[in-house]
Amino acid sequence: DAKTTQPNSMESNEEEPVHLPCNHSTISGTDYIHWYRQLPSQGPEYVIHGLTSNVNNRMASLAIAEDRKSSTLILHRATLRDAAVYYCILRDVYRSGANNLFFGTGTRLTVIP
Amino acid sequence: DAGVIQSPRHEVTEMGQEVTLRCKPISGHDYLFWYRQTMMRGLELLIYFNNNVPIDDSGMPEDRFSAKMPNASFSTLKIQPSEPRDSAVYFCASSLGTGGRSYNSPLHFGNGTRLTVT
Repeated sequence: DAKTTQPNSMESNEEEPVHLPCNHSTISGTDYIHWYRQLPSQGPEYVIHGLTSNVNNRMASLAIAEDRKSSTLILHRATLRDAAVYYCILRDVYRSGANNLFFGTGTRLTVIP
Repeated sequence: DAGVIQSPRHEVTEMGQEVTLRCKPISGHDYLFWYRQTMMRGLELLIYFNNNVPIDDSGMPEDRFSAKMPNASFSTLKIQPSEPRDSAVYFCASSLGTGGRSYNSPLHFGNGTRLTVT
């Protein structure tokens, strides 16, 4: 299974943009890139997903490299509530085990007031 | 929408006792997942159901673990007998499949049950 690599931790100042990187050099053509985050004492929360084109929603933006070997989750203005562990996950829609999301260790984002 | 509801929020029990964790998925969702989270192993899928039928239970650690989904609005995860190494946070999640597939449907997680076995 294709896996992802993320930095263990990152810091950001409040109200500044945050760019969370993810490397997935062995991504397959049918892998979608999903992002979840987990706030303290809560279950994971879906953030965004994409295949090839950049995606935007109310929570964040997802920028996908042209070769799809990396992606970046962008939080446009970090707030204290965005402090969480962010997981970058690949889901192959044609693979029977696609429901088994591999969360990995993620990136712990600290937001500094 | 109340989201995925899990109970209890915390459970402390002694080794050898039976433990039952409960989950109410989001109404209308046809996929239900049980995950376990520990510091050592992170988040692991234990089992998932589609339309109340278990599809993949390869993540269930051993025979002491069992999961049921008697109807679309309720599922249980039972551990009997419990052991200290079962201590973890157990999450239930649900999602809405599309034409029988859920591969891109977001999973909606509950807030988990923190289990401590002494």
